[in-house]
Amino acid sequence: GDSVTQMEGPVTLSEEAFLTINCTYTATGYPSLFWYVQYPGEGLQLLLKATKADDKGSNKGFEATYRKETTSFHLEKGSVQVSDSAVYFCALVDLYTGANSKLTFGKGITLSVRP
Amino acid sequence: NAGVTQTPKFRVLKTGQSMTLLCAQDMNHEYMYWYRQDPGMGLRLIHYSVGEGTTAKGEVPDGYNVSRLKKQNFLLGLESAAPSQTSVYFCASSPHSPYEQYFGPGTRLTVT
Repeated sequence: GDSVTQMEGPVTLSEEAFLTINCTYTATGYPSLFWYVQYPGEGLQLLLKATKADDKGSNKGFEATYRKETTSFHLEKGSVQVSDSAVYFCALVDLYTGANSKLTFGKGITLSVRP
Repeated sequence: NAGVTQTPKFRVLKTGQSMTLLCAQDMNHEYMYWYRQDPGMGLRLIHYSVGEGTTAKGEVPDGYNVSRLKKQNFLLGLESAAPSQTSVYFCASSPHSPYEQYFGPGTRLTVT
């Protein structure tokens, strides 16, 4: 079945540091890939997405490129801010597995950014 | 436009009690979902619905029941609560596929 593997956390960075959060996936079809973010005390919200190989999703300074050859979708940001402190989830949906295909989430990783 | 709302925000139950969590969305979305979030486990899908009057089991359905009598509402029921059901529950909805989901703020449930 489909699965998403995220790097172990938590991650603590200083403000303005470079961020990389690794995500790899296993899927039987042709998945679309997502990063969701969960700020403290809130529900998840979509951060960015990519629907096919070599697509780059971007939002709020974050980027991730869909790499089919390495089955990866790593999240990057050049300069993190304290306000980026949150839990980040990588996810996929494989629409070719049927009408009832569902989002599959990774376990999430907590990012803390200190001033 | 409130998006996805959940009621209640917090609840404490004793083992064996029952309760219903209500999810409501005002975006006319077809798909709705219930997840639970536990430390180190990420989000796990409990049940979902692809339209009014339909429900289906997700990854961890045991001990829960759901109903979708109206398009805008998705109810999650616990008939006999157990401590293992202590968790944060999230409802989500999406327009016509699981592609982009909109989440509610969550319900924190403690079963003692």
